Amino acid sequence: ELKVEQNPLFLSMQEGKNYTIYCNYSTTSDRLYWYRQDPGKSLESLFVLLSNGAVKQEGRLMASLDTKARLSTLHITAAVHDLSATYFCAVGPGNFGNEKLTFGTGTRLTIIP
Amino acid sequence: EPEVTQTPSHQVTQMGQEVILRCVPISNHLYFYWYRQILGQKVEFLVSFYNNEISEKSEIFDDQFSVERPDGSNFTLKIRSTKLEDSAMYFCASRPGGRNIQYFGAGTRLSVL
Repeated sequence: ELKVEQNPLFLSMQEGKNYTIYCNYSTTSDRLYWYRQDPGKSLESLFVLLSNGAVKQEGRLMASLDTKARLSTLHITAAVHDLSATYFCAVGPGNFGNEKLTFGTGTRLTIIP
Repeated sequence: EPEVTQTPSHQVTQMGQEVILRCVPISNHLYFYWYRQILGQKVEFLVSFYNNEISEKSEIFDDQFSVERPDGSNFTLKIRSTKLEDSAMYFCASRPGGRNIQYFGAGTRLSVL
């Protein structure tokens, strides 16, 4: 059974600081997704990482994938308040057809002014 | 921008009652999914649907659950006899052929009393 673990579960950080969220998964997969969820809202796709060494950046967020270590990171640079949300990583099974996603536990990020 | 639409946003029901949660996926998408998220927990896969049939389902998706795409636009999740533990946020998602990203609706919060 595929397991996806994120850490930390909760992260409180000051504006302007940098931090990294980690996502480990238990089986071979080269499809890794990052989603953002605001309270009571849906899941917004942030990044899709499809190969070993993939790196994607959007604004203050950068995601990377190391399939050999089964690890993805989401790095936040110079955090601002509107990045406060819960961030989920999710792993696809490698079967392109079904693409059932297995989600991590989520990291609740709070940016303090 | 096209989006996945879910109705109702909140459904309250008595234990043992049947509920139908409705979703209108993005119009040219081919793959459809239901996920659920119990309050404070991670998002869990329920079922995937392609070419008018279930392609995969989780252990959660037992005989009390069914899905249907009755008219080529709507995608419904039915729970025949709701239990207290069915209380959760239910998300519908859809994906186009040839692309990896699943697009999520805003969710239906189901409260079983």
